[in-house]
Amino acid sequence: AQSVSQHNHHVILSEAASLELGCNYSYGGTVNLFWYVQYPGQHLQLLLKYFSGDPLVKGIKGFEAEFIKSKFSFNLRKPSVQWSDTAEYFCAVNLILTGGGNKLTFGTGTQLKVEL
Amino acid sequence: AAGVIQSPRHLIKEKRETATLKCYPIPRHDTVYWYQQGPGQDPQFLISFYEKMQSDKGSIPDRFSAQQFSDYHSELNMSSLELGDSALYFCASSSQGYEQYFGPGTRLTVT
Repeated sequence: AQSVSQHNHHVILSEAASLELGCNYSYGGTVNLFWYVQYPGQHLQLLLKYFSGDPLVKGIKGFEAEFIKSKFSFNLRKPSVQWSDTAEYFCAVNLILTGGGNKLTFGTGTQLKVEL
Repeated sequence: AAGVIQSPRHLIKEKRETATLKCYPIPRHDTVYWYQQGPGQDPQFLISFYEKMQSDKGSIPDRFSAQQFSDYHSELNMSSLELGDSALYFCASSSQGYEQYFGPGTRLTVT
C-alpha cells in the first residue's frame, strides 16, 4: 500500500525565513502529487500539484515544490514566509487509475507557525 | 467559481443515533470522495464514487454506507454512532481523476 511521510510535524519560523517541508512517498507506479493547506478551522485548499512535465511546480501564494523521482520526494518550499502562512500543510499522493477512484493518501501533516 | 457544498456544516448526535451527511460536487465533476479527519489527524479516505458507481473503498466502517445519486450529489449515512465517530467529514470532487477540490466539511460531534 502506498504511504506518505512528512518528516517535520511542527515547524516554527520567523517571518521572512525560508521554508522547506519534506515529503516522501512509497509507491513505484505513476502518481500524482499534491500539497494542500488547511488554515485553522477551514477546509483543505490545494496549494499546488504535479502530474507530469517540469518537476519544479509553482503554486499559489508563492509556494513551489520539486518532484525528485529518484528520491520519491516532493518537498514544498517558500523563500520567505509570512505570518498568514501559519497553517497545517499536507502532502498527498494518488495513484493513476482508470475509471476514477483515485483516492488521496495524505501524510500526517506539518503544523507551521510563523512568528512576527 | 462553484465549489463543493456540504450540509450540514455542524451536526450533534447522541450515541447509537444515525446521521446523514450530504455532498454536492462541483458541476461536471464525475467523482466524489469522502474523507474522515479526526482531531489532530490527517484525512483518511472512506469511499469514492465515479459516475454514480462505487469506485474505491477505504477504512469505512460497516455501520457507514454511501451512495451517489443521478444528480451526482452524494450522501454518507452513518448508523449506530459511536463517540469515536466524532470528526470532520470532508467531501471532495474531481473531474476524470484530476485534482480533488474539498468542501468545507461537516463537523460531527457524537455525545
